[in-house]
Amino acid sequence: KAGVTQTPRYLIKTRGQQVTLSCSPISGHRSVSWYQQTPGQGLQFLFEYFSETQRNKGNFPGRFSGRQFSNSRSEMNVSTLELGDSALYLCATSAGFTDTQYFGPGTRLTVL
Amino acid sequence: AQSVSQHNHHVILSEAASLELGCNYSYGGTVNLFWYVQYPGQHLQLLLKYFSGDPLVKGIKGFEAEFIKSKFSFNLRKPSVQWSDTAEYFCAVNAGDNYGQNFVFGPGTRLSVLP
Repeated sequence: KAGVTQTPRYLIKTRGQQVTLSCSPISGHRSVSWYQQTPGQGLQFLFEYFSETQRNKGNFPGRFSGRQFSNSRSEMNVSTLELGDSALYLCATSAGFTDTQYFGPGTRLTVL
Repeated sequence: AQSVSQHNHHVILSEAASLELGCNYSYGGTVNLFWYVQYPGQHLQLLLKYFSGDPLVKGIKGFEAEFIKSKFSFNLRKPSVQWSDTAEYFCAVNAGDNYGQNFVFGPGTRLSVLP
């Protein structure tokens, strides 16, 4: 069974730009969660989607948004990038409500 | 809001030493508990998980963890570490329910095993 895939793996943007990251879940997984990982803040929960609906949201500004498509693939968008948005963005998927999450390799975003 | 704390930021051990990494969480309701590991250059992988039943759970690579409800703890143990166990270890709590996943991760403990 293929794992969680994230594209692109690396991204360099400048302040003020916007970015879209993509996550393809393991086949059959309908829950997709997004996390930001930084050395200072660790792993922080951004939001979770299930069946195209956002079910939970962490404490991030509205510049961070996401969506999920009918095939469970998810995208995350960050608008008006700031230097502090430089991080590893991880996607994790699971089959149901409280099942184990399986992580993708992440997208390394660098904002210059 | 729930939170997860991990006792040590960085642990250094020699090969064959025993390991115990502490994890405490704050949440009054039913939780699912996890330990994830991130080897250098690799993505997060599940080590073990506790949903219900026997509070002593065994995971991959000889790791085990004990859930002590009265102490809100879920400590990770391994009787004899190897150099290949060098990694960062994250404790996580999921208090999700029908309203969605709600994973909270601890800050992580970096384990360095000296050959």
